Amino acid sequence: DAKTTQPTSMDCAEGRAANLPCNHSTISGNEYVYWYRQIHSQGPQYIIHGLKNNETNEMASLIITEDRKSSTLILPHATLRDTAVYYCIHTYSGGYQKVTFGTGTKLQVIP
Amino acid sequence: GAVVSQHPSWVICKSGTSVKIECRSLDFQATTMFWYRQFPKQSLMLMATSNEGSKATYEQGVEKDKFLINHASLTLSTLTVTSAHPEDSSFYICSATIWEGEPEQYFGPGTRLTVT
Repeated sequence: DAKTTQPTSMDCAEGRAANLPCNHSTISGNEYVYWYRQIHSQGPQYIIHGLKNNETNEMASLIITEDRKSSTLILPHATLRDTAVYYCIHTYSGGYQKVTFGTGTKLQVIP
Repeated sequence: GAVVSQHPSWVICKSGTSVKIECRSLDFQATTMFWYRQFPKQSLMLMATSNEGSKATYEQGVEKDKFLINHASLTLSTLTVTSAHPEDSSFYICSATIWEGEPEQYFGPGTRLTVT
């Protein structure tokens, strides 16, 4: 199984940047890093993914270390609606992308 | 982004009965869909990989005769929980992969099953 390590929980003030770390020291060379989030009682929502380079989209930025053993998801201006459990995974881009979820980080955005 | 729907969104059934959950990819074709189960305050656990036109692949510890999966078309996969028991009460989530250069996996909204 693809294992990742994330802090169990984090708090972030509304309007501030939320930086969520993830360790994925067992990642293979052709595996991507994906981030999803799950708001209570909903299905997971795709956020962003990357291979080597840093990535940015309308939701977040992804910073991947040069050795690819860890990454950080950045929500630049957290809002109350960003309160959710954030999951970091690594999986192959080929095939059918079987995904194993870890325990994730519970992010609480505080007013 | 791509949309995956599930039906029903919640269901209550009596112990010993069977219940079917549908997972549909609304605007794309999915040769492979996945089924997950999530108990309260726990992470998603992969149950099985559903392949269109062939048998599903079940994860270790998941009873294939209890959780019947059918993937009859490129837009529909069904999960039938047979002879349901209260311990089967859970949040069931499906997902489908879309290929847009690189694969992205989209998840359904989930189905809350309560067995009484």
